[in-house]
Amino acid sequence: NAGVTQTPKFRVLKTGQSMTLLCAQDMNHEYMYWYRQDPGMGLRLIHYSVGEGTTAKGEVPDGYNVSRLKKQNFLLGLESAAPSQTSVYFCASRSYLGTGNGLYEQYFGPGTRLTVT
Amino acid sequence: SQQGEEDPQALSIQEGENATMNCSYKTSINNLQWYRQNSGRGLVHLILIRSNEREKHSGRLRVTLDTSKKSSSLLITASRAADTASYFCATGIQGAQKLVFGQGTRLTINP
Repeated sequence: NAGVTQTPKFRVLKTGQSMTLLCAQDMNHEYMYWYRQDPGMGLRLIHYSVGEGTTAKGEVPDGYNVSRLKKQNFLLGLESAAPSQTSVYFCASRSYLGTGNGLYEQYFGPGTRLTVT
Repeated sequence: SQQGEEDPQALSIQEGENATMNCSYKTSINNLQWYRQNSGRGLVHLILIRSNEREKHSGRLRVTLDTSKKSSSLLITASRAADTASYFCATGIQGAQKLVFGQGTRLTINP
């Protein structure tokens, strides 16, 4: 049981390049999330998904796109990378516990450190 | 804006001492959670306290919640070097599908 895994662990991009970050979970979780973490800013939600084929915007969605074609995978895409997207990206997942009562814990991946030059 | 704000931003204590971190939030919540993040790693869930609970324990961790003051505290007793990490509070709101995280407290335990 690997939990939540992220690929790649590190990446350096030039401004304008594109890339896709892959998140995979083997816990059969319905919900998946993408966050970015910057110094002094804590975790900020980029996009999330409440099930296969669905996505929704979070707090800072601009410049990112996501897809959830399979339940176990959640992809985060940067179409034209900018230096402002230099950050550590975390994926998380959680199970569905009925109503949106917040009574769940999130499981996080190890992170992807992205540098855009 | 973020829901939770931790205080202090950084805390440095000697091994064996107790560490207390605080979290304040703005809106009514259903529950509050604490997570730990070791350097270079993802967040790990520590403990969840429901809005109708006032105190909860888990090993050396003690969490309190005061909904009237919209605040929570995390106490780590008898600290160890391995407790060195950043600690985040996260709030769950009824009807919401996502947690909202604070900015974290960076805890350093000196041997």
